[in-house]
Amino acid sequence: GAVVSQHPSWVICKSGTSVKIECRSLDFQATTMFWYRQFPKQSLMLMATSNEGSKATYEQGVEKDKFLINHASLTLSTLTVTSAHPEDSSFYICSASMAGHYEQYFGPGTRLTVT
Amino acid sequence: GENVEQHPSTLSVQEGDSAVIKCTYSDSASNYFPWYKQELGKRPQLIIDIRSNVGEKKDQRIAVTLNKTAKHFSLHITETQPEDSAVYFCAASRARGSSASKIIFGSGTRLSIRP
Repeated sequence: GAVVSQHPSWVICKSGTSVKIECRSLDFQATTMFWYRQFPKQSLMLMATSNEGSKATYEQGVEKDKFLINHASLTLSTLTVTSAHPEDSSFYICSASMAGHYEQYFGPGTRLTVT
Repeated sequence: GENVEQHPSTLSVQEGDSAVIKCTYSDSASNYFPWYKQELGKRPQLIIDIRSNVGEKKDQRIAVTLNKTAKHFSLHITETQPEDSAVYFCAASRARGSSASKIIFGSGTRLSIRP
């Protein structure tokens, strides 16, 4: 149980375009979802926390107008990278948690390459 | 702000020997400490976790210790095997109530097991 999926698993886009990444909890209701970014050979950096039906809480230094997060249902959160630039190229990973549990369940990640 | 420091950044041990990874955290209100194993290009996998009301926890070859006073926690892997080679991350979280909260990751330790 506690499976989280992400789509797409990888995407290549041109500079200036927008890309949407989906994160789904397949077999549980996710009260909270988290979005992380991981550059090569580095750690996971939390970008934002989202609760279903509420606005996301962004970490310091993360541009909320550039990284749009929507958590419209208890099983789906989306991250849209707007006006992508090559420096946005990274591995984006979501995680989800259920009520009453400390553990976060991670998605498989999405590798974004901006050319 | 919250910070988790992790050492060493790389660790090479002979197969069958033990490996120890150490972390310190800055937020004294942290109460949940998960450890993750991440293989290249894949999602982080929870391997063990400990809560602040426990000083030590063991699961087969893996053990974690926590010193709340010193704000230190450590991962111990005994009888290391080639499949233990991966990047390991410690993390700390200030979980509220009974639900998950944001996780702050350490910088990671690249563990290599020499045959």
